Amino acid sequence: EVQLVQSGAEVKKPGESLKISCKGSGYTFSNYWIGWVRQMPGKGLEWMGIIYPGDSDTRYSPSFQGQVTISADKSIGSAYLQWNSLKASDTAMYYCARRGGILNAFDIWGQGTMVTVSS
Amino acid sequence: QTVVTQEPSLTVSPGGTVTLTCASSTGAVTSGFYPNWFQQKPGQAPRALIYSTSNKHSWTPARFSGSLLGGKAALTLSGVQPEDEAEYYCLLYSGGGVFGGGTKLTVL
Repeated sequence: EVQLVQSGAEVKKPGESLKISCKGSGYTFSNYWIGWVRQMPGKGLEWMGIIYPGDSDTRYSPSFQGQVTISADKSIGSAYLQWNSLKASDTAMYYCARRGGILNAFDIWGQGTMVTVSS
Repeated sequence: QTVVTQEPSLTVSPGGTVTLTCASSTGAVTSGFYPNWFQQKPGQAPRALIYSTSNKHSWTPARFSGSLLGGKAALTLSGVQPEDEAEYYCLLYSGGGVFGGGTKLTVL
């Protein structure tokens, strides 16, 4: 079964760092782009960026460039989303999603990781 | 940055037909934006329905279809079921992605 499994919920304080993960299974991880999506409480989906684990080619949305770091380790089939200094406004659900093929099909989604930033 | 606009809310009767649209602030939506459509129910992750304008995933019910309509991407639900009540998002992808604001579909 093709799936993406994300790391568990996190509660952090402002200024702390955090790295959440998205592990793929059931397919060749390095051959498919992985995108990251933010959903703030009660709000819509926001595109953050995408990475190709095969060569770590990474593209960021202008809104998130410099705010987060997207990375991947193809040897263990995982992609990551990282913050160096969290803010309360980073409180949100974060999803990873697989992009497959030349027709840009975003087909498989992770279950989401809830990040809460509060003092 | 590109703004993608969807109807904030729509209401449809069970068994009816409804079309949701997805417009781009940069002009007409074309197949080159590879429109994707997703369904999200409360407390759940989004579920993919349509990719590249009109292609269905293996799990997409037949009553869902995608198209281009009047310069917009469109998602049509024919024979709406109560379980179709959800939020629907479009994604336009061209190097990077931009989501629409979502349409809350009520089945009443």
